[in-house]
Amino acid sequence: ETGVTQTPRHLVMGMTNKKSLKCEQHLGHNAMYWYKQSAKKPLELMFVYNFKEQTENNSVPSRFSPECPNSSHLFLHLHTLQPEDSALYLCASSQDKRGGTGELFFGEGSRLTVL
Amino acid sequence: DQQVKQNSPSLSVQEGRISILNCDYTNSMFDYFLWYKKYPAEGPTFLISISSIKDKNEDGRFTVFLNKSAKHLSLHIVPSQPGDSAVYFCAASALGNKLVFGAGTILRVKS
Repeated sequence: ETGVTQTPRHLVMGMTNKKSLKCEQHLGHNAMYWYKQSAKKPLELMFVYNFKEQTENNSVPSRFSPECPNSSHLFLHLHTLQPEDSALYLCASSQDKRGGTGELFFGEGSRLTVL
Repeated sequence: DQQVKQNSPSLSVQEGRISILNCDYTNSMFDYFLWYKKYPAEGPTFLISISSIKDKNEDGRFTVFLNKSAKHLSLHIVPSQPGDSAVYFCAASALGNKLVFGAGTILRVKS
Protein backbone atom coordinates (compact mmCIF):
# COMPACT_ATOMS: atom_id res chain seq x y z
CA GLU A 1 0.00 0.00 0.00
CA THR A 2 1.48 3.33 -1.05
CA GLY A 3 2.13 6.00 1.58
CA VAL A 4 -0.22 8.69 0.29
CA THR A 5 -3.15 7.78 -1.91
CA GLN A 6 -5.44 10.15 -3.77
CA THR A 7 -8.79 9.54 -5.42
CA PRO A 8 -10.00 10.09 -8.02
CA ARG A 9 -6.92 10.22 -10.22
CA HIS A 10 -8.84 12.07 -12.92
CA LEU A 11 -11.94 14.24 -12.63
CA VAL A 12 -13.86 16.21 -15.21
CA MET A 13 -16.55 18.52 -13.92
CA GLY A 14 -18.77 21.34 -15.06
CA MET A 15 -18.67 24.73 -13.42
CA THR A 16 -21.90 24.10 -11.52
CA ASN A 17 -20.93 20.66 -10.18
CA LYS A 18 -19.91 19.77 -6.64
CA LYS A 19 -17.22 17.17 -6.27
CA SER A 20 -14.61 16.15 -3.71
CA LEU A 21 -11.02 15.01 -3.85
CA LYS A 22 -9.88 12.53 -1.23
CA CYS A 23 -6.46 11.90 0.26
CA GLU A 24 -5.37 9.23 2.72
CA GLN A 25 -1.94 8.80 4.26
CA HIS A 26 -0.71 5.54 5.78
CA LEU A 27 2.54 6.92 7.20
CA GLY A 28 1.39 8.02 10.63
CA HIS A 29 2.25 11.63 9.84
CA ASN A 30 0.80 14.57 11.72
CA ALA A 31 0.55 17.12 8.92
CA MET A 32 -1.28 17.05 5.60
CA TYR A 33 -1.26 19.48 2.71
CA TRP A 34 -3.04 20.37 -0.52
CA TYR A 35 -0.91 21.73 -3.36
CA LYS A 36 -1.97 22.92 -6.80
CA GLN A 37 0.25 22.35 -9.79
CA SER A 38 -0.57 24.31 -12.93
CA ALA A 39 1.44 24.00 -16.11
CA LYS A 40 4.79 25.82 -15.98
CA LYS A 41 4.06 27.26 -12.55
CA PRO A 42 5.52 26.44 -9.13
CA LEU A 43 3.70 24.09 -6.85
CA GLU A 44 1.30 26.33 -4.95
CA LEU A 45 0.55 25.53 -1.34
CA MET A 46 -3.19 25.77 -0.69
CA PHE A 47 -3.91 24.40 2.77
CA VAL A 48 -2.02 22.88 5.66
CA TYR A 49 -3.42 20.81 8.51
CA ASN A 50 -1.42 19.92 11.64
CA PHE A 51 -3.09 17.44 13.96
CA LYS A 52 -6.38 18.03 12.12
CA GLU A 53 -6.24 21.78 12.68
CA GLN A 54 -5.94 24.06 9.69
CA THR A 55 -2.77 26.07 10.19
CA GLU A 56 -2.47 27.66 6.79
CA ASN A 57 -4.80 28.91 4.09
CA ASN A 58 -2.90 30.59 1.30
CA SER A 59 -5.62 32.99 0.17
CA VAL A 60 -7.46 30.19 -1.58
CA PRO A 61 -10.90 31.08 -3.04
CA SER A 62 -13.85 29.81 -1.05
CA ARG A 63 -14.92 27.56 -3.92
CA PHE A 64 -12.21 25.25 -2.53
CA SER A 65 -13.16 23.91 0.88
CA PRO A 66 -10.83 21.56 2.78
CA GLU A 67 -11.85 19.07 5.42
CA CYS A 68 -9.62 17.05 7.71
CA PRO A 69 -11.71 14.64 9.82
CA ASN A 70 -8.61 12.93 11.28
CA SER A 71 -4.86 12.99 10.85
CA SER A 72 -4.99 10.32 8.14
CA HIS A 73 -7.64 11.76 5.85
CA LEU A 74 -7.90 15.01 3.96
CA PHE A 75 -10.60 16.14 1.55
CA LEU A 76 -10.88 19.02 -0.88
CA HIS A 77 -14.49 19.92 -1.64
CA LEU A 78 -14.98 21.65 -4.97
CA HIS A 79 -17.94 23.88 -5.83
CA THR A 80 -18.65 26.23 -8.77
CA LEU A 81 -15.12 26.02 -10.06
CA GLN A 82 -13.77 27.98 -13.01
CA PRO A 83 -11.92 26.61 -16.05
CA GLU A 84 -8.70 28.21 -14.76
CA ASP A 85 -8.94 25.89 -11.73
CA SER A 86 -8.05 22.99 -14.01
CA ALA A 87 -4.77 21.63 -12.65
CA LEU A 88 -3.11 18.74 -10.88
CA TYR A 89 -4.02 18.75 -7.19
CA LEU A 90 -1.43 17.09 -5.03
CA CYS A 91 -1.85 15.91 -1.48
CA ALA A 92 1.18 15.53 0.76
CA SER A 93 1.95 14.56 4.32
CA SER A 94 4.87 15.07 6.68
CA GLN A 95 5.90 14.38 10.22
CA ASP A 96 6.40 17.82 11.66
CA LYS A 97 8.55 18.21 14.73
CA ARG A 98 9.22 21.15 16.94
CA GLY A 99 11.43 23.44 14.90
CA GLY A 100 10.55 22.33 11.47
CA THR A 101 8.64 20.65 8.74
CA GLY A 102 9.64 17.12 7.92
CA GLU A 103 10.13 15.77 4.44
CA LEU A 104 7.02 15.91 2.29
CA PHE A 105 5.58 12.71 0.89
CA PHE A 106 3.28 13.30 -2.06
CA GLY A 107 0.38 11.38 -3.49
CA GLU A 108 0.08 10.77 -7.21
CA GLY A 109 -2.28 13.69 -7.68
CA SER A 110 -5.79 14.23 -8.94
CA ARG A 111 -5.96 15.70 -12.44
CA LEU A 112 -8.92 18.07 -12.50
CA THR A 113 -10.49 19.47 -15.66
CA VAL A 114 -13.21 22.09 -15.34
CA LEU A 115 -15.33 22.54 -18.46
CA ASP B 1 6.96 37.37 -6.84
CA GLN B 2 8.56 33.95 -6.98
CA GLN B 3 11.04 33.32 -4.20
CA VAL B 4 12.39 30.19 -5.86
CA LYS B 5 13.11 30.32 -9.57
CA GLN B 6 14.06 27.63 -12.03
CA ASN B 7 14.76 29.64 -15.13
CA SER B 8 15.25 26.72 -17.50
CA PRO B 9 11.91 25.09 -18.31
CA SER B 10 13.66 22.15 -19.94
CA LEU B 11 17.04 20.53 -20.44
CA SER B 12 18.14 17.82 -22.86
CA VAL B 13 21.25 15.75 -22.16
CA GLN B 14 22.90 12.75 -23.79
CA GLU B 15 23.02 9.53 -21.77
CA GLY B 16 26.27 9.24 -19.83
CA ARG B 17 26.89 12.98 -19.74
CA ILE B 18 26.36 15.35 -16.84
CA SER B 19 22.99 17.00 -16.21
CA ILE B 20 23.08 20.32 -14.35
CA LEU B 21 19.81 21.76 -13.09
CA ASN B 22 19.86 25.24 -11.64
CA CYS B 23 17.79 27.06 -9.07
CA ASP B 24 17.94 30.64 -7.77
CA TYR B 25 16.27 32.04 -4.69
CA THR B 26 15.64 35.49 -3.32
CA ASN B 27 14.89 34.93 0.36
CA SER B 28 18.11 35.10 2.36
CA MET B 29 16.32 33.45 5.30
CA PHE B 30 16.08 30.14 3.45
CA ASP B 31 18.24 27.63 5.28
CA TYR B 32 17.16 24.28 3.88
CA PHE B 33 16.95 23.28 0.24
CA LEU B 34 15.58 20.20 -1.44
CA TRP B 35 15.20 18.68 -4.87
CA TYR B 36 12.14 16.66 -5.78
CA LYS B 37 11.73 14.50 -8.86
CA LYS B 38 8.42 13.90 -10.59
CA TYR B 39 7.55 11.33 -13.24
CA PRO B 40 4.37 11.74 -15.31
CA ALA B 41 1.25 10.47 -13.53
CA GLU B 42 3.13 10.27 -10.22
CA GLY B 43 3.57 12.63 -7.31
CA PRO B 44 6.92 14.31 -6.62
CA THR B 45 9.41 12.24 -4.64
CA PHE B 46 12.23 13.54 -2.49
CA LEU B 47 15.65 13.26 -4.11
CA ILE B 48 18.30 15.09 -2.12
CA SER B 49 18.60 18.01 0.27
CA ILE B 50 21.18 20.39 1.66
CA SER B 51 21.36 22.56 4.73
CA SER B 52 22.69 26.09 4.52
CA ILE B 53 25.63 25.14 6.74
CA LYS B 54 26.98 23.04 3.89
CA ASP B 55 27.95 23.87 0.32
CA LYS B 56 27.79 20.37 -1.10
CA ASN B 57 25.89 17.17 -0.50
CA GLU B 58 26.41 14.01 -2.49
CA ASP B 59 24.30 10.87 -2.82
CA GLY B 60 25.43 8.44 -5.47
CA ARG B 61 25.07 10.01 -8.89
CA PHE B 62 23.36 13.09 -7.44
CA THR B 63 25.19 16.08 -5.97
CA VAL B 64 23.67 19.33 -4.83
CA PHE B 65 25.79 22.46 -4.60
CA LEU B 66 24.82 25.56 -2.66
CA ASN B 67 26.27 29.00 -3.23
CA LYS B 68 24.79 31.18 -0.51
CA SER B 69 26.41 34.41 -1.62
CA ALA B 70 24.89 34.01 -5.07
CA LYS B 71 21.64 32.55 -3.68
CA HIS B 72 22.02 29.73 -6.13
CA LEU B 73 21.90 25.98 -5.96
CA SER B 74 22.38 23.34 -8.55
CA LEU B 75 21.77 19.63 -8.93
CA HIS B 76 24.34 17.60 -10.80
CA ILE B 77 23.52 14.14 -12.12
CA VAL B 78 26.42 12.14 -13.45
CA PRO B 79 26.32 9.97 -15.40
CA SER B 80 22.82 10.77 -16.62
CA GLN B 81 20.57 7.84 -17.43
CA PRO B 82 17.35 7.66 -19.49
CA GLY B 83 15.46 6.82 -16.27
CA ASP B 84 16.44 10.23 -14.92
CA SER B 85 14.08 11.85 -17.44
CA ALA B 86 11.52 13.62 -15.25
CA VAL B 87 10.53 17.03 -13.91
CA TYR B 88 12.86 18.30 -11.19
CA PHE B 89 11.54 20.76 -8.59
CA CYS B 90 13.76 22.87 -6.40
CA ALA B 91 12.29 23.80 -3.00
CA ALA B 92 13.42 25.85 -0.03
CA SER B 93 12.30 26.59 3.49
CA ALA B 94 13.19 29.15 6.12
CA LEU B 95 13.50 28.28 9.80
CA GLY B 96 11.37 25.18 9.47
CA ASN B 97 8.52 26.90 7.74
CA LYS B 98 6.65 25.49 4.77
CA LEU B 99 8.44 24.62 1.56
CA VAL B 100 8.43 27.07 -1.35
CA PHE B 101 8.77 25.37 -4.72
CA GLY B 102 10.12 26.43 -8.07
CA ALA B 103 8.26 25.86 -11.34
CA GLY B 104 10.29 22.80 -12.26
CA THR B 105 12.70 21.84 -15.03
CA ILE B 106 11.93 19.02 -17.45
CA LEU B 107 15.01 16.85 -17.94
CA ARG B 108 15.21 14.61 -20.99
CA VAL B 109 18.08 12.15 -21.14
CA LYS B 110 18.56 10.82 -24.66
CA SER B 111 19.97 7.35 -25.22
